[in-house]
Amino acid sequence: NAGVTQTPKFRILKIGQSMTLQCTQDMNHNYMYWYRQDPGMGLKLIYYSVGAGITDKGEVPNGYNVSRSTTEDFPLRLELAAPSQTSVYFCASVSEKTAKNIQYFGAGTRLSVL
Amino acid sequence: LAKTTQPISMDSYEGQEVNITCSHNNIATNDYITWYQQFPSQGPRFIIQGYKTKVTNEVASLFIPADRKSSTLSLPRVSLSDTAVYYCLVGAGNDYKLSFGAGTTVTVRA
Repeated sequence: NAGVTQTPKFRILKIGQSMTLQCTQDMNHNYMYWYRQDPGMGLKLIYYSVGAGITDKGEVPNGYNVSRSTTEDFPLRLELAAPSQTSVYFCASVSEKTAKNIQYFGAGTRLSVL
Repeated sequence: LAKTTQPISMDSYEGQEVNITCSHNNIATNDYITWYQQFPSQGPRFIIQGYKTKVTNEVASLFIPADRKSSTLSLPRVSLSDTAVYYCLVGAGNDYKLSFGAGTTVTVRA
């Protein structure tokens, strides 16, 4: 079972560059999330989606954009990378059918902006 | 999502039992209590969930008193590989916005 797959695993960007972090899940989950985790800190919610075509902001959405054209994919876009976006990014999905909010996480993307 | 409070860190030795208590005074009637474990350089993974009383699986036990205002995750006979950050989350199935606090860093020493 693949679960939640994130690509790339590592990336170094220069200030002002853009990139898309990919997230795919094969569990047919409707809910998907993007978090960032700074060193020694907990996870902060960036954006989430409750289904294809529906997205909403989390705690720290500034500097990011998302789209959800299919159930499986939930890419995160950084348009103008800044050093403050250096972090580890995690994607997660939840099956609303369980009604218990158990999240399944990807392995993460480690991003450095220099 | 109900606010939770848990210790920042705990130290233990191999073979000991580790108990991490999470406070959630404003837990709602339909909220579940869920614990996750995160190893360095990995995403969090679900370890246990409960609603009331006691739940046990192959990894841990979860104790929830009758008033449900707190819960205790118990890790029996820890090993070095149990060194991780443990997060307590409280919420219901219709909580779309899920967020994690700082968690409890458990360090197991030889």
